[in-house]
Amino acid sequence: GEDVEQSLFLSVREGDSSVINCTYTDSSSTYLYWYKQEPGAGLQLLTYIFSNMDMKQDQRLTVLLNKKDKHLSLRIADTQTGDSAIYFCATSSNTGKLIFGQGTTLQVKP
Amino acid sequence: DADVTQTPRNRITKTGKRIMLECSQTKGHDRMYWYRQDPGLGLRLIYYSFDVKDINKGEISDGYSVSRQAQAKFSLSLESAIPNQTALYFCATSTTGARYNEQFFGPGTRLTVL
Repeated sequence: GEDVEQSLFLSVREGDSSVINCTYTDSSSTYLYWYKQEPGAGLQLLTYIFSNMDMKQDQRLTVLLNKKDKHLSLRIADTQTGDSAIYFCATSSNTGKLIFGQGTTLQVKP
Repeated sequence: DADVTQTPRNRITKTGKRIMLECSQTKGHDRMYWYRQDPGLGLRLIYYSFDVKDINKGEISDGYSVSRQAQAKFSLSLESAIPNQTALYFCATSTTGARYNEQFFGPGTRLTVL
């Protein structure tokens, strides 16, 4: 079945870049997503990328997509303490459902 | 006011009790979802509904049931709660025909089954 895998934890220092990685099995997803969950809250869409793109940049966020390797990454430049959260990678099934990874907890140390 | 609301926000109950979690939305979306979140497992889909008359099982529907009372309301029931149903439960909505399938999440219900 469809599967999305992420590492569970990443720790960086404030001001450094963070890179969160994700691998997936379903190559039919038209869009791939990054959701952010702040403490005590629900998930919010952070960014997404269309499957025929290799890269998308949005201010401090860069999304890279390698379709051959089924690998998605999220780079956060100049990471701030406010970026501390859980980040979920997700793909979209052909029935319209989202398939989420396990979530990567990003810890930003001052 | 929040677009997707969930009640209650926290609930502690005992094994064997019947529990209902409720979700309401003011976004006018036709699609609604119930997920549970467990540490290290991410979000897993319990049930989803693409329309008032459409109910579908997700990957972990055993032990749960749902009711779509109206387009804006989608409730999740645990008929006889058990401790391994202790988790954080999220409701989400989306709209058919959106260019990309963004889902909008409620704040979550933390359920503890003793």
